[in-house]
Amino acid sequence: AQSVTQLGSHVSVSEGALVLLRCNYSSSVPPYLFWYVQYPNQGLQLLLKYTSAATLVKGINGFEAEFKKSETSFHLTKPSAHMSDAAEYFCAVITMDTGRRALTFGSGTRLQVQP
Amino acid sequence: NAGVTQTPKFQVLKTGQSMTLQCAQDMNHEYMSWYRQDPGMGLRLIHYSVGAGITDQGEVPNGYNVSRSTTEDFPLRLLSAAPSQTSVYFCASSPLQGSGNTIYFGEGSWLTVV
Repeated sequence: AQSVTQLGSHVSVSEGALVLLRCNYSSSVPPYLFWYVQYPNQGLQLLLKYTSAATLVKGINGFEAEFKKSETSFHLTKPSAHMSDAAEYFCAVITMDTGRRALTFGSGTRLQVQP
Repeated sequence: NAGVTQTPKFQVLKTGQSMTLQCAQDMNHEYMSWYRQDPGMGLRLIHYSVGAGITDQGEVPNGYNVSRSTTEDFPLRLLSAAPSQTSVYFCASSPLQGSGNTIYFGEGSWLTVV
């Protein structure tokens, strides 16, 4: 079975500082990995996804993530935080057990951006 | 573009009442699913469907029923609501072909059971 662990349920950074949100996965087969963002009282929006092409994946809003197989990691980064980045971020991995498709989610990391 | 549409957005139920959360998608996606989101637990899969007439249980199916009579619609039924079902519910859809295809989410339905 596949699983995802997000280190740190809350991360606080200053505006303009580097954002680093950590995600480690467990998978017996090559994974498909996703980062979603959720703004307050809204649904989930796809930030970026890794599907076995380039290991450095660029997403929307200046975010990017690097797939590192040796570390089983898919950390999300942004060079300079903006106030509008305050949200909850979820890392997820595709599960393909018995033909079904389902995202297995991490427990989420809430990003706070201080002025 | 409508995408995945859920109704209602907010609902308060009394224990024991029944209700249906509606979900519709206009992207002709074969795969549809329901998740619930609880604090500190991410999203957990309730039920899913790979096409009209085909449904199956996810990780937390107890207390919920689904049906898939058309490609577009995938309603979630709470037969006898319990306070433990207070949660935010998300419907999602995606094409069936291709493991890396994006799963698209609705805006969510906030349900409170008192």
